[in-house]
Amino acid sequence: AQSVTQPDIHITVSEGASLELRCNYSYGATPYLFWYVQSPGQGLQLLLKYFSGDTLVQGIKGFEAEFKRSQSSFNLRKPSVHWSDAAEYFCAVGFGSSNTGKLIFGQGTTLQVKP
Amino acid sequence: GAVVSQHPSWVICKSGTSVKIECRSLDFQATTMFWYRQFPKQSLMLMATSNEGSKATYEQGVEKDKFLINHASLTLSTLTVTSAHPEDSSFYICSADFEGETQYFGPGTRLTVL
Repeated sequence: AQSVTQPDIHITVSEGASLELRCNYSYGATPYLFWYVQSPGQGLQLLLKYFSGDTLVQGIKGFEAEFKRSQSSFNLRKPSVHWSDAAEYFCAVGFGSSNTGKLIFGQGTTLQVKP
Repeated sequence: GAVVSQHPSWVICKSGTSVKIECRSLDFQATTMFWYRQFPKQSLMLMATSNEGSKATYEQGVEKDKFLINHASLTLSTLTVTSAHPEDSSFYICSADFEGETQYFGPGTRLTVL
């Protein structure tokens, strides 16, 4: 069955430190990949997406993600975390016949930033 | 661009009443919108896919008679929770399909049923 796994439920990093959030998916073909961020009580904001082409994609707020087909992964990175990055991060995978359609979300990773 | 709004942002209602939540794509047309439900500290659960001019497609286990969805125009989809009960209290989020590529999400609606 198709699935998305974010192995880390909660991550704490110091402000200014680097960050990597993991995402793995299970699917027979290359899906469409997304990272969203959710602040408390808010909807989801799109950070970046991958459909095809260059496997390293740049997003907003200084985030980037790399698609690795061999590992079925799409990990999110940021070289230097800011206190405002504290939020819930969701990896999502699209399996529809078009580029969107239904999304399957990972369980989410809560990022806490220490001063 | 690609802004999605929801109204109301929060609502409190009595058990047995119905509540309507609106989802609007403000600067683009969306033939497809999606409705999700999110419990505290959990991920999003897709409830249904809303298609303009046709019936919504509900996910398994979602009661279509309880969660009525109408997508009457290319910029508006509504979710009506009928005969709401306390177990329906949740955070409801909609999204809209932008140019067949990406879902953009609304800010969510907090429903509390007393």
